[in-house]
Parts: sequence; C-alpha cells; structure tokens
Amino acid sequence: QSALTQPPSASGSPGQSVTISCTGTSSDVGGYNYVSWYQQHPGKAPKLMIYEVSKRPSGVPDRFSGSKSGNTASLTVSGLQAEDEADYYCSSYTGSNTVFGGGTKLTVL
Amino acid sequence: QITLKESGPTLVKPTQTLTLTCTFSGFSLSSSGVGVGWIRQPPGEALEWLALIYWNDERRYSPSLKSRLTITKDTSKNQVVLTMTNMDPVDTATYYCAHYCTSTSCYRRAFDYWGQGTLVTVSS
Repeated sequence: QSALTQPPSASGSPGQSVTISCTGTSSDVGGYNYVSWYQQHPGKAPKLMIYEVSKRPSGVPDRFSGSKSGNTASLTVSGLQAEDEADYYCSSYTGSNTVFGGGTKLTVL
Repeated sequence: QITLKESGPTLVKPTQTLTLTCTFSGFSLSSSGVGVGWIRQPPGEALEWLALIYWNDERRYSPSLKSRLTITKDTSKNQVVLTMTNMDPVDTATYYCAHYCTSTSCYRRAFDYWGQGTLVTVSS
C-alpha cells in the first residue's frame, strides 16, 4: 500500500478558508468511508480532527469540515485562526490495514 | 479518561531488536471493537502506520514491515508490546501508540487517543 498523496503545503490569511486534499485509490479512500484527519503541532502528538470522512469528534470546532469525492478526500478549515497553523495528515482504512498521507503544512499568513 | 504512554529504550544499535511497551488506562482491550495501534514518525517526516491489535487478538501489520514486526497484548496489565527486529538507522523515529475502535459507539476506525510518543534513535 502506498501513502496517500497530500500537497506539501497550504496557506491562507486569518479569516479565510483553505482546503487540503488527500488522494488515494479505490482500495483505500475511494473504497471506504473511513477517512480521518489529524492535526499535529510541533513536538506534539497528533490530534483527531475528522473521522468517517466528515464527522467531528467532541470539542473540535465546526470550522473544520471533511468531505470525499471518488478517491480524493478533503479537509476544509474555515475562518482560519493563528492556532490552526500545524501539520495535517489524512488517513484511510484499507479493508485490513491503515495508511497515512504524507502530510500538509498549513501556514496562517 | 483514556491515556496511553509509550516506554522503551531511547537508543538501540543497528541489527538489534526494539521492544516498546504501551501502557494504557481508561479502557479495556478485552472490550468488543477496541484496538491499539502503533504509528511512527521519523524526524521531520510523515506519520507511518505500523501495526494494530484488536480485542479478539486479531493483528494487522504494515505490509512493508510485516516481516520485522510483532504486536502482542497483555489485557491483565493493560499493555501492548511492539517488537521490531533488525533495527537500522532509518528506523530512527518517534513511536506512538494510540487507541482505535470499530464499534458504532466510538470514533470508528480512527486513532482518537494518542500517547506522547517516545523517540528511538538507532545508532552504533
């Protein structure tokens, strides 16, 4: 299984929206509605932000939303805030295993 | 409150076997649908899923590392152990364990609680 493909970087100004893509195959992203997204600040453990493509865990702001079309999942951060600056990783169930994306560094300008 | 903590050596020599222990609290690994996984992250690089063990002792491994990995659980001690053989400098990474769940009453098929991670350096 290959890592899911994410853009290395993304950026936006405070208050703007930014969308991060995550491209896989029909064997992972396209085949299951089990895509999750994680936020990681420097030196910290990842934090679950989205599960099952578009669901938010308790405590995650509704500025974070997820979607999927075909083999590509997306994470949208609306109303960007300074604290949203972090690395973001997507992940997908593959029917037996799990695969992560290469990560996207989100910069708030 | 679910917590997990990784423990093990911070330095191993090339060709040695790494043994890491994940000690957790706040859930039982004998409850249906529950699992514990291991994920690693080389310095400055991306997350990589390694292995997962379920409540029923079902085990899953990364295909690229399967021959080197073994994951086991001790339900009575609330621990999960990962061993990785034939360590190499490219295996230098922070190793995380995380809670995983497959039932409808949880955040399905996502790692919702993570340990703080433990940095393992492979060097002679």
